[in-house]
Amino acid sequence: GAVVSQHPSWVICKSGTSVKIECRSLDFQATTMFWYRQFPKQSLMLMATSNEGSKATYEQGVEKDKFLINHASLTLSTLTVTSAHPEDSSFYICSAPRRLAGGESEQFFGPGTRLTVL
Amino acid sequence: AQSVTQPDIHITVSEGASLELRCNYSYGATPYLFWYVQSPGQGLQLLLKYFSGDTLVQGIKGFEAEFKRSQSSFNLRKPSVHWSDAAEYFCAVGRFLTSGTYKYIFGTGTRLKVLA
Repeated sequence: GAVVSQHPSWVICKSGTSVKIECRSLDFQATTMFWYRQFPKQSLMLMATSNEGSKATYEQGVEKDKFLINHASLTLSTLTVTSAHPEDSSFYICSAPRRLAGGESEQFFGPGTRLTVL
Repeated sequence: AQSVTQPDIHITVSEGASLELRCNYSYGATPYLFWYVQSPGQGLQLLLKYFSGDTLVQGIKGFEAEFKRSQSSFNLRKPSVHWSDAAEYFCAVGRFLTSGTYKYIFGTGTRLKVLA
């Protein structure tokens, strides 16, 4: 099946630093990717839609200057948490839709990146 | 407002017992409904989905779900649980986008524990 990878799988950083998380579709191209944030024992909250070659679309309440998204190629989207603070600590998950035979689309999720800000 | 509710945060069942995970949704249009399973270290995996047609949907790993419009529910069932089914389960409503994919609203998840 289609695979979406994320790197790193976990990261610890100091408050005030920036952290970049990569999301790659390994065996298919994705013009759109999605970034989610998952708090412990809570649901996945959609943060933004990453669009290849254009600006990302952010959900209401998500700071676009805080969470920078770049979709530089058809297989790579990056999320940069700028000037990270402890409240940014969370589990970040990306997903990418893949077109299937018959025109349907199925979303494939990455394994997630756990960010801890000290 | 669109929302998905999974009333049970934790469920514990014995191996071999039947399972039902509840999901209720609030959505203004015809819902596209999904169940995903999340295991540690792995991405969410699609178990099954409902778009239209037969309201009883069969999925992978022996799971099935039934769409009941009158109850706004999409409960997930399995007749006999295996120890490997222990995981977090998420119900989701998808809003179709012009790009051909879906924008999801996820429920809060149900953590399943299986007793040997």
